[in-house]
Amino acid sequence: NAGVMQNPRHLVRRRGQEARLRCSPMKGHSHVYWYRQLPEEGLKFMVYLQKENIIDESGMPKERFSAEFPKEGPSILRIQQVVRGDSAAYFCASSPPRSSGGMRHIQYFGAGTRLSVL
Amino acid sequence: GQNIDQPTEMTATEGAIVQINCTYQTSGFNGLFWYQQHAGEAPTFLSYNVLDGLEEKGRFSSFLSRSKGYSYLLLKELQMKDSASYLCAVRDEDSSYKLIFGSGTRLLVRP
Repeated sequence: NAGVMQNPRHLVRRRGQEARLRCSPMKGHSHVYWYRQLPEEGLKFMVYLQKENIIDESGMPKERFSAEFPKEGPSILRIQQVVRGDSAAYFCASSPPRSSGGMRHIQYFGAGTRLSVL
Repeated sequence: GQNIDQPTEMTATEGAIVQINCTYQTSGFNGLFWYQQHAGEAPTFLSYNVLDGLEEKGRFSSFLSRSKGYSYLLLKELQMKDSASYLCAVRDEDSSYKLIFGSGTRLLVRP
């Protein structure tokens, strides 16, 4: 059973370009979360999605950032017109459906995408 | 506001026991998680506490006191491979599964 897959692992963009980060959840998982980690800081929640629905986007910046989890395919975190302050590691996590009992609370993380903005 | 505090760094000796503390002040409480993260890698799940008490899993144990807003992770028989960051996280809302993370504790295990 493959884990959470993120790609690319490293992404370099120039200021003003767009960054697209992809996340495929673990097989059978229907909940996806995106977190951002700045150097020497903790993981900061950005957005929580289920298939075709955004459940909680309280951690998303109001501009330039968007996320989706379509019916088919991976979840995408999109950053438009990137700035140097967007440089960070972006982690995706997934969790099982609510029918999974106590296990439904556990989030499993991917290896992250390290975004560098030049 | 939401606040989760952990020591920034700890050092311990191979074969010893180390306790990593975590205190939290959050608007709600729906469970506390510990993750291990090696540099450049994914955080990996270690433990989940929702009720008071000690949960033991092999060399790792996690304790929770909800009245004190306090948890600790206990690592026994330390090995060199335990050198990593240990992340404490709280789920505060029942309606959302989002986690609030502390800044992590960097543990260095010396021979």
